[in-house]
Amino acid sequence: EAQVTQNPRYLITVTGKKLTVTCSQNMNHEYMSWYRQDPGLGLRQIYYSMNVEVTDKGDVPEGYKVSRKEKRNFPLILESPSPNQTSLYFCASSYSKGVGYTFGSGTRLTVV
Amino acid sequence: KQEVTQIPAALSVPEGENLVLNCSFTDSAIYNLQWFRQDPGKGLTSLLLIQSSQREQTSGRLNASLDKSSGRSTLYIAASQPGDSATYLCAVLSGGYQKVTFGTGTKLQVIP
Repeated sequence: EAQVTQNPRYLITVTGKKLTVTCSQNMNHEYMSWYRQDPGLGLRQIYYSMNVEVTDKGDVPEGYKVSRKEKRNFPLILESPSPNQTSLYFCASSYSKGVGYTFGSGTRLTVV
Repeated sequence: KQEVTQIPAALSVPEGENLVLNCSFTDSAIYNLQWFRQDPGKGLTSLLLIQSSQREQTSGRLNASLDKSSGRSTLYIAASQPGDSATYLCAVLSGGYQKVTFGTGTKLQVIP
C-alpha cells in the first residue's frame, strides 16, 4: 500500500531532550515536507526537500533540523525541544511539483 | 507572502443539503490548489487537486472550482451526509518550489 509512515504517533518528552520523528514514504516521491498544526494557526510548513541532499526552510524552521540522505526518508530533528514545540506534526510527500501531497497520519508531540 | 483564508470557520447543515466551502488566496501566481479533509485526531486525506491551468475538478459528490484571477476556489458538496462531517482545508502551492500555504479550515457538521 502506498503510504507515508510517521513514527511515533504520540510522544511526550522533557525540555531539552533531543528527539527525532521519522518519516518514510514507499512511493519513490521526490518531494517531502514537514508541517506543524496548531489550533487557530492551521498547518505551517517547517522544512521541505526537493530531492536527496536538497532541503530548504519553510515558514517556521526555528528549532528544527532535517536531513534527506535517502529518497524515502525525511526525519525531523528537535535538538533541544521546548514547550512551544508542542504540536501535531505531519509529514507529506509528492511525486513531483504540481502533483499534490500525500500525508502521514501525524505525530502528536508534547514537550513538558 | 501568500495568505489563504477560509470562510466560514464552521458550518452546520442538515443532511441532504448542497453546500459550498470557500477558499481565497492573496497571490494569484499559484501552481495548484488542493482540497483536503481532516477527521478529528487524524491525518489529511486529499479530495481534489486543481492545477493552475484548470477551472474545476470533480470526484463523486464533490466539485472544486478555481478562479485564479480573483484568487478564489470553492468546494461544492452535493447531497451532504453525516459522514461528510470533518474539517476541510485548502492548500495552495506557489513560489519557486514546494511552498505550500494552508488555510485554517472550515469545520463542517452535517446533522442527521
